[in-house]
Amino acid sequence: GENVEQHPSTLSVQEGDSAVIKCTYSDSASNYFPWYKQELGKRPQLIIDIRSNVGEKKDQRIAVTLNKTAKHFSLHITETQPEDSAVYFCAAKFEGNEKLTFGTGTRLTIIP
Amino acid sequence: EPEVTQTPSHQVTQMGQEVILRCVPISNHLYFYWYRQILGQKVEFLVSFYNNEISEKSEIFDDQFSVERPDGSNFTLKIRSTKLEDSAMYFCASQRDVGGGELFFGEGSRLTVL
Repeated sequence: GENVEQHPSTLSVQEGDSAVIKCTYSDSASNYFPWYKQELGKRPQLIIDIRSNVGEKKDQRIAVTLNKTAKHFSLHITETQPEDSAVYFCAAKFEGNEKLTFGTGTRLTIIP
Repeated sequence: EPEVTQTPSHQVTQMGQEVILRCVPISNHLYFYWYRQILGQKVEFLVSFYNNEISEKSEIFDDQFSVERPDGSNFTLKIRSTKLEDSAMYFCASQRDVGGGELFFGEGSRLTVL
């Protein structure tokens, strides 16, 4: 069935360093891969997304890379800041479905 | 900026009681969803709704759950007879187009079943 695995579950990074979160998906026909940031007690908010016809997308300090052959995609945050501390969820939209299937989340802590 | 709104923000109910969670999606959006998130866990899909009918539902969305769009703006999730394990944050979301457009989430309704 549809499955998205996410690693690591927790990540602590010194302020200013980079953070990388990785996800793998099960269905090779998946075509849309968003990343959501969720602060404590808040709604998930989209921070970046990528479609299957693109290998990389960047938005200021945030980038996402997609490797369709290996069926994995990664979130890269550079020059991390304390406000980057949150739980990050990857997700995938599988071919023929409307829903998003979410990964299990990564709690990112930026150490000042 | 338009946003998805949900009420109530928190509801406490006794096991076996009926609960209705309400959502007002963004006005020009066509696709509506309910997701839930048990505390500390991932966001799980419950149901999607398009053109006034359910288009997809998960195994979680059993006969105790129903959705309705009673008028042009509200989108409701009803749980007929709540169980302890229904305690979670329920997020409504809407999407303008299918095919991978951004999903906009509401602030969530926290349901506590005692």
